Amino acid sequence: KAGVTQTPRYLIKTRGQQVTLSCSPISGHRSVSWYQQTPGQGLQFLFEYFSETQRNKGNFPGRFSGRQFSNSRSEMNVSTLELGDSALYLCASSLEVSDNSPLHFGNGTRLTVT
Amino acid sequence: QQQVKQSPQSLIVQKGGISIINCAYENTAFDYFPWYQQFPGKGPALLIAIRPDVSEKKEGRFTISFNKSAKQFSLHIMDSQPGDSATYFCAPHGSSNTGKLIFGQGTTLQVKP
Repeated sequence: KAGVTQTPRYLIKTRGQQVTLSCSPISGHRSVSWYQQTPGQGLQFLFEYFSETQRNKGNFPGRFSGRQFSNSRSEMNVSTLELGDSALYLCASSLEVSDNSPLHFGNGTRLTVT
Repeated sequence: QQQVKQSPQSLIVQKGGISIINCAYENTAFDYFPWYQQFPGKGPALLIAIRPDVSEKKEGRFTISFNKSAKQFSLHIMDSQPGDSATYFCAPHGSSNTGKLIFGQGTTLQVKP
């Protein structure tokens, strides 16, 4: 069974631009979460989706948004990019949202904002 | 804000030695205590996890020790190998918050040959 796939692997953008990152979960997984990883802040939760509905949102500005499609694939969007948005963005999928279904992470999208 | 504190930040161990990483939490409602392992260029992967009804769980060279009263749990890596060199994260949570995890700050482990 294929793992979580994130595209693209690397992105370089300029301040003020916007970016869309894509995540394909493991087949059959209905829950998708997004995390931002930086050396200074570590792994921080962005949002969680289940059946196309946002279940939880982390403490990030409104420039960060996401959505989930009917096939469970998910996208996240960052508008008006800032230098501090440079990070590794990780997507994780799980079978369900409860019963301690383990998270399966993709290898991330490395975003560099110049 | 739920706090999760992980220590040490970095750890250097000789091959064959024991690596110990600790995680302290505040929320008594947590009922699942996992450790994730992350290699450079890869996403974190679940390594081992424990539920609060047991005090210890062992999987191969990896053991979790859980102290409910102290609100702490630890990862022990026995006979540490260079291939164990990675960053380790704890992420205790409640069963209703599977996708929204608060990760510890991470411990970078280097196992010297």
